[in-house]
Formats: sequence, structure tokens, C-alpha cells
Amino acid sequence: SYELTQPPSVSVSPGQTARITCSGDSLPKQYTYWYQQKPGQAPVLLIYKDSERPPGIPERFSGSFSGTTLTLTISGVHAEDEADYYCQSADSSGRVFGTGTKVTVL
Amino acid sequence: EVQLLESGGGLVQPGGSLRLSCAASGFTFSDYAMSWVRQAPGKGLEWVSSIGDRGGGKYDADFVKGRFTISRDNSRNTLYLQMTSLRVEDTALYFCAKDFDGDHAFDVWGQGTMVTVSS
Repeated sequence: SYELTQPPSVSVSPGQTARITCSGDSLPKQYTYWYQQKPGQAPVLLIYKDSERPPGIPERFSGSFSGTTLTLTISGVHAEDEADYYCQSADSSGRVFGTGTKVTVL
Repeated sequence: EVQLLESGGGLVQPGGSLRLSCAASGFTFSDYAMSWVRQAPGKGLEWVSSIGDRGGGKYDADFVKGRFTISRDNSRNTLYLQMTSLRVEDTALYFCAKDFDGDHAFDVWGQGTMVTVSS
């Protein structure tokens, strides 16, 4: 299996842009996904196949990929975006989650 | 409404066994691969095991091989995780999750069932 590395924390003011990175050697070969998890709740799928949004996910959430790094961008951060965010990918041996990033809205 | 409801968690001694269940409703259960994901208290998400829509295509994380067995009963719309030789480090909230349209993402999650391994 392989590892997906995220920064432990990101702080952002309301209305500003938050960027969360996810890096791993296997990323160029696999799609990657993003989840949001608020305290005491189950995760919610935000982004699939690197940059697609499921129905109901606000447009301020977007995903992009460059080299071996995937980025989740939250444009115009709202107070309710304060949460933990996880990337996730898969290979022939199974699935793997990133280390997680706590986003704090100042 | 699409829903997953886990049950079967509890307190167990090291070396003990538990069987978790996940009852699915609101979608055609037999059309989707399913998985278990866990989260230790205060820690991140950790994939445990996945099973294909018809019960084949099983994949397990390295840390559970030989100890946990994933299975499903499509006639009962239920996913299972049989856990044996439990360790203190298996203490976690165990989520059941549905695969997203044949992709490797998870689009529906249950609320989880807590497993505590302690003497």
C-alpha cells in the first residue's frame, strides 16, 4: 500500500480561499476523492475523480491535480466549512485515506 | 431515503470476537460494492475492507488480514464484518460505506458502531 500526505491544519478567514494538498507517489495512476467530516458526523463525499462534484455539493468546493499533488480548494470559505478534510485513493490492493487536514475558520 | 445502519459494536476483551452488521435501505443493495472504514478516537479515517456487489472481489487492509472477514447477504440487504483476535488498537468507530457508481469513492455512510477492545 502507499501513503497520502496532507498538512495537519489550515487556517482561513471567512470569504478567503483555503487550499488543502494531498500528495503521494501513486497519485498520477489513480483517481482521488475528497471528504468533509464535521465532529460527531459521518464523512461526506465532496469531490470524486479528482475534480467532479456529486449532486448537492456547493460550487465553492473544487479539486485539481498537478504532478503528484492533488488540491482541494474552498473558494469564499463559510464558517460552516470548518471541519476535517480527507483525500482518498485506491489501487489494486484496496483503498487508502490521507492523513487528514483540520480547517479552522478564523 | 438511502440509509445505512450499523449495529453489533460493544466492549470486548483482547483476543475476543464481534460481528458487525450494516442494514441498507433506499437503494438496490446488490448493485453496489460495499466497504468498512474505521476511525479510532481522535484519529483519521482508515479503510478496513471492501466486497464486490455479488460477494466476490474482497479486499482487506494489511492490518486485518486473517482476523477480519467481510461478507454480505443480498437477500437481506445486509453487510457484515466478522472480527476475531481483536486487539486494543482495533478500538474505533466502524462505518459502513457504499461505493459511488462503480467508482472507488464512498457516497453513502452510516453513522457508525463503536468497538472498544479493553480488558
